[in-house]
Amino acid sequence: ETGVTQSPTHLIKTRGQQVTLRCSSQSGHNTVSWYQQALGQGPQFIFQYYREEENGRGNFPPRFSGLQFPNYSSELNVNALELDDSALYLCASRPGWSSGSTDTQYFGPGTRLTVL
Amino acid sequence: DQQVKQNSPSLSVQEGRISILNCDYTNSMFDYFLWYKKYPAEGPTFLISISSIKDKNEDGRFTVFLNKSAKHLSLHIVPSQPGDSAVYFCAARLNNNDMRFGAGTRLTVKP
Repeated sequence: ETGVTQSPTHLIKTRGQQVTLRCSSQSGHNTVSWYQQALGQGPQFIFQYYREEENGRGNFPPRFSGLQFPNYSSELNVNALELDDSALYLCASRPGWSSGSTDTQYFGPGTRLTVL
Repeated sequence: DQQVKQNSPSLSVQEGRISILNCDYTNSMFDYFLWYKKYPAEGPTFLISISSIKDKNEDGRFTVFLNKSAKHLSLHIVPSQPGDSAVYFCAARLNNNDMRFGAGTRLTVKP
């Protein structure tokens, strides 16, 4: 059983560009969440996908969007990059989604995005 | 709007002693609280959780205490081991989709 993987590890972009980050969920996991972790802060929830549909979103603008594919891998897309988008982006997967379940998520190692 | 706060950025304890990590929250709608541990270059790993209807949960050397009236939770590690050295994040769940994290506390356990 493989864990959660993310690519690329590091990425440098310039302001105004677009970026796509990728996540491969742990085998058998159909729920994935994305988080942004700025330096010195805890992860901030961006959104969650369950069976290819977004079913939860944090306080992030629409230029942050995502996709989940039938094999449960996912993407985070950020348009019109801003300097403040520089952060570590984490994805986390879990086996399923049901109200009341303990939220045991498995995190990937993250993608470090730098916007110049 | 920081609803989960970890006011101690770092903590240093001697091996064998107790480590106590603290977390405060402001939103009474949180239904689950979790602790994650993070090593450098790795994602956070789940450690222990507690439901808002309980006041204590224990798992081996790790115990989490919840004081709802004070909106405070703590993680006790006893005895502390050098391998426990990591950044510890407190997290609180609003519903099954939205989790709020604290800024983390860096624990150093000295041999």
